[in-house]
Amino acid sequence: KNEVEQSPQNLTAQEGEFITINCSYSVGISALHWLQQHPGGGIVSLFMLSSGKKKHGRLIATINIQEKHSSLHITASHPRDSAVYICAVSTFRHSGAGSYQLTFGKGTKLSVIP
Amino acid sequence: SQTIHQWPATLVQPVGSPLSLECTVEGTSNPNLYWYRQAAGRGLQLLFYSVGIGQISSEVPQNLSASRPQDRQFILSSKKLLLSDSGFYLCAWSVQAGSYEQYFGPGTRLTVT
Repeated sequence: KNEVEQSPQNLTAQEGEFITINCSYSVGISALHWLQQHPGGGIVSLFMLSSGKKKHGRLIATINIQEKHSSLHITASHPRDSAVYICAVSTFRHSGAGSYQLTFGKGTKLSVIP
Repeated sequence: SQTIHQWPATLVQPVGSPLSLECTVEGTSNPNLYWYRQAAGRGLQLLFYSVGIGQISSEVPQNLSASRPQDRQFILSSKKLLLSDSGFYLCAWSVQAGSYEQYFGPGTRLTVT
């Protein structure tokens, strides 16, 4: 079983719809990240959060530490939001000198149709 | 400001040929550096990470190796590529000493034929 599970794997929405992508994890984490991967492959970080809720424009990310669950919401979706959205969790690894490392979900492919 | 570069952007190599992918970071010192691979239909997988020059940790046994000859340079190599080495390779960096955030390079798409 993967440590980070995302749902759905694929999502098609009409322009303007409200979108929710879910992420569940099974390990203790330092932080949770939402990333956006464009069709060309480049990845940008959308949010990093360890509690509560963050908002940036039409994007909202929430996390429930007790339930080990996070959601990414997109309001008033637009075709330019079409991308793969990836959930990742930071955990501290004690091997070697130690560092925070990311474990990734498989991503949710979002297609927004005009 | 910090930037991260990867090259080449795309690469097509025959089975059995060598590989060298390079990643460099500008605008920061002593970063943690990471190599990830994204195979078709799979999530990103950590291959190697480095906390300093010459210090490399491998996460999974594989046909690849990594080196860090300079503070802000991270190289991914193979002596003989396999078909299964095809994928999208991402380099990332983070600040040392307790930072959760990682910053990703543009990636290299490798196709082994």
